[in-house]
Amino acid sequence: EPEVTQTPSHQVTQMGQEVILRCVPISNHLYFYWYRQILGQKVEFLVSFYNNEISEKSEIFDDQFSVERPDGSNFTLKIRSTKLEDSAMYFCASNGAGSGAYEQYFGPGTRLTVT
Amino acid sequence: QKEVEQNSGPLSVPEGAIASLNCTYSDRVSQSFFWYRQYSGKSPELIMSIYSNGDKEDGRFTAQLNKASQYVSLLIRDSQPSDSATYLCAPKRSSASKIIFGSGTRLSIRP
Repeated sequence: EPEVTQTPSHQVTQMGQEVILRCVPISNHLYFYWYRQILGQKVEFLVSFYNNEISEKSEIFDDQFSVERPDGSNFTLKIRSTKLEDSAMYFCASNGAGSGAYEQYFGPGTRLTVT
Repeated sequence: QKEVEQNSGPLSVPEGAIASLNCTYSDRVSQSFFWYRQYSGKSPELIMSIYSNGDKEDGRFTAQLNKASQYVSLLIRDSQPSDSATYLCAPKRSSASKIIFGSGTRLSIRP
């Protein structure tokens, strides 16, 4: 069964460093998302991406964040200068397009620890 | 008003009983509704989707939707210890839409 994959599973970085989180969405999906979940809190939407551009972003997704689909399979989230408060689980998700294709599938997540 | 409201729990149910989880949502434009299960430290796992008013059954799970009341529920029959998790109700407007999650309901199945 197709699934969303993410790498790495755990990333430890120092404050101020840049990190890139990687995702491979399900191959025939067209809509891609990043969410995050701070420990003990709810899952929060960061950004959605379609047709090689951002379609929506939340207030959390400020200038320190960027997303890219560098090729036909990968979808990345970059944090330019990490802060302690960026420590969280980051989930990538994807879904298809059109009626009946609303189901959104999540990857296993990357645990980001900023020290 | 919160966009998605669920009783945070914990909801404690004996093994073998029916667990009933409820959700109300505020966005009347929502077209599709999902239930995700999230184990501690893991990602949300899609377990049910429902698009039309009424009931939808899949194995031990039954989702119920009432768009007029903006209400979605999930019943889990013959509850197992492995059902112990947080259950997230997730309305979605369209294929292009993000999901706005509530805090979820923590379910605990006691042996």
